[in-house]
Amino acid sequence: HSVLTQPPSVSGAPGQRVTFSCTGSSSNIGAGYDVHWYQQLPGTAPKLLIYGNTNRPSGVPDRFSGSKSGTSASLAITGLQAEDEADYYCQSYDSSLSGWVFGGGTKLTVL
Amino acid sequence: QVQLQESGPGLVKPSETLSLTCTVSGASISRDYWSWIRQPPGKGLEWIGYIYRGGSTNYNPSLKSRVTISVDTSKNQFSLKLTSVTAADTAVYYCARDRGTHNGMDVWGQGTTVTVSS
Repeated sequence: HSVLTQPPSVSGAPGQRVTFSCTGSSSNIGAGYDVHWYQQLPGTAPKLLIYGNTNRPSGVPDRFSGSKSGTSASLAITGLQAEDEADYYCQSYDSSLSGWVFGGGTKLTVL
Repeated sequence: QVQLQESGPGLVKPSETLSLTCTVSGASISRDYWSWIRQPPGKGLEWIGYIYRGGSTNYNPSLKSRVTISVDTSKNQFSLKLTSVTAADTAVYYCARDRGTHNGMDVWGQGTTVTVSS
């Protein structure tokens, strides 16, 4: 199982708002380490979507936003579009493992 | 812009060593961190390890005994070696530029599929 816990799936209709959760512990997110989010479209490499909990790289629409509180982090997508259908992964640093950890990923289905 | 490209054999026999190279263009390998990540078929991402400052390394504890990441600054490449492979090591292997704890992995290679089979 993954050190960071993500729900396996999320779904929403076009135009709606969806959120993705990422739950960690006191050795990673709860210790203050930043959370990053990646979008992986089918058959492609992951793409950095949110870094440092809340920041969007250049070119990422402001429909995507991130937040962090305590031992958890969240990714939100507003104005859902068909092309947002992908797998979404969270990532952070874990002090017990002294390295990066990823969540198991959440598959977004646009209805 | 920065681009990464993985290369190496697509088929490796059980118990042998998997060797991959990542060629970096548009950035110096001597700066930043450079990571390897893998993704088994139908599964999630697993961080393998990174190299930084031209040679220091950090590995996933679950793979540490079998992994070596090295760098060739003259070719602007970094490499992955994974020994004693089994079918469980079958995956798509990605290399990525790693900007550290605050900035994530901002550039990824397209990935290369490695199958472990006799």
